[in-house]
Amino acid sequence: DAGITQSPRHKVTETGTPVTLRCHQTENHRYMYWYRQDPGHGLRLIHYSYGVKDTDKGEVSDGYSVSRSKTEDFLLTLESATSSQTSVYFCATSYGDSTTEAFFGQGTRLTVV
Amino acid sequence: QKEVEQNSGPLSVPEGAIASLNCTYSDRGSQSFFWYRQYSGKSPELIMSIYSNGDKEDGRFTAQLNKASQYVSLLIRDSQPSDSATYLCAVRITDKLIFGTGTRLQVFP
Repeated sequence: DAGITQSPRHKVTETGTPVTLRCHQTENHRYMYWYRQDPGHGLRLIHYSYGVKDTDKGEVSDGYSVSRSKTEDFLLTLESATSSQTSVYFCATSYGDSTTEAFFGQGTRLTVV
Repeated sequence: QKEVEQNSGPLSVPEGAIASLNCTYSDRGSQSFFWYRQYSGKSPELIMSIYSNGDKEDGRFTAQLNKASQYVSLLIRDSQPSDSATYLCAVRITDKLIFGTGTRLQVFP
């Protein structure tokens, strides 16, 4: 299995507070992705990165920001958490070219109360 | 139109039968296609990848790709209760990896 670690694994936070989720990989993969998974919606892409300091928006990026200052770390920040951001968040990484699959972390369950 | 579409199911098949899962995509420039399996409460795991038109077989699994029709399918032969899970179709579109909503498969004894 790819060495992908998400932290924290579970978090409960209050509405309006900032939250940062961390994804750490030991595979030297170029691409990293953040998804959220909600019933009936499958996996929806929030943001992705194709290299250090190179990031772009996915389909549900509003209310989220990301940073990638090192190859191995990709941070997802909820600037001001809302109840609609209660979800399971998955990080995934991919080696680099268009033929390679993505590997997933264990997921972070975030509850905003 | 969503970029990747799947029927959400559930698809119920008896043990030993063939399960057929389908996926359509909208971007004709897509080049890489993947099937993931996800058990409840777990992370998605890759089961098949396919890049060119035709069939690709791996054990009990066969992926089929038809780029002209923008259609990808997954066949599971000799379905087992342990195959009960949600199956996610994923399509690489330039740098993005886009998933469908998944199809829930139930295999009953």
